[in-house]
Amino acid sequence: AQSVTQLDSQVPVFEEAPVELRCNYSSSVSVYLFWYVQYPNQGLQLLLKYLSGSTLVKSINGFEAEFNKSQTSFHLRKPSVHISDTAEYFCAVSERGGTYKYIFGTGTRLKVLA
Amino acid sequence: DAGVIQSPRHEVTEMGQEVTLRCKPISGHDYLFWYRQTMMRGLELLIYFNNNVPIDDSGMPEDRFSAKMPNASFSTLKIQPSEPRDSAVYFCASSKTGTGFTEAFFGQGTRLTVV
Repeated sequence: AQSVTQLDSQVPVFEEAPVELRCNYSSSVSVYLFWYVQYPNQGLQLLLKYLSGSTLVKSINGFEAEFNKSQTSFHLRKPSVHISDTAEYFCAVSERGGTYKYIFGTGTRLKVLA
Repeated sequence: DAGVIQSPRHEVTEMGQEVTLRCKPISGHDYLFWYRQTMMRGLELLIYFNNNVPIDDSGMPEDRFSAKMPNASFSTLKIQPSEPRDSAVYFCASSKTGTGFTEAFFGQGTRLTVV
């Protein structure tokens, strides 16, 4: 069975500082990996995804994540955060060619401080 | 496409009443998922469908919960009878597999309050 672990429930960081949100997964088969962002009272929006190819994937708003197969990780990073990045971030895994169901981590609440 | 559409956005009901949540997936998507989000339990997968067929309902908490997908453009999640502990935000999501694979797209959710 798949599982996703996000060890940090909350991460406070000052504006313009770098941030890393950690995600580790467990699966017996190859997976697709995703980061979703949720703003207050809204649904989840895709931030970035790893399907295949380059292990480093980037979003249009400066986030990036690197798939590390040996460490079964998919950490999310941003070199300089903005107040507007304050939100909850969810890591998710979906089996390749399998059930395709999405299993989510418990989320990390990123709070950017002025 | 308008995205995944859920209705209603908010629902307040009394304990014991039947509640029906509705979802219209993105056209052409072959998977549909129902999730429940609470502070205590996070995002829980309740049930998902492939080509309108339920694949896994092991996440449905009790027999009071049921879901249907009568056609490719509509799904319902029903709670009968409802209880205060069912209060949560319920999300529907859809995705496409195979050629033109997409990630899961989420609706805006239905905030259910059972009093």
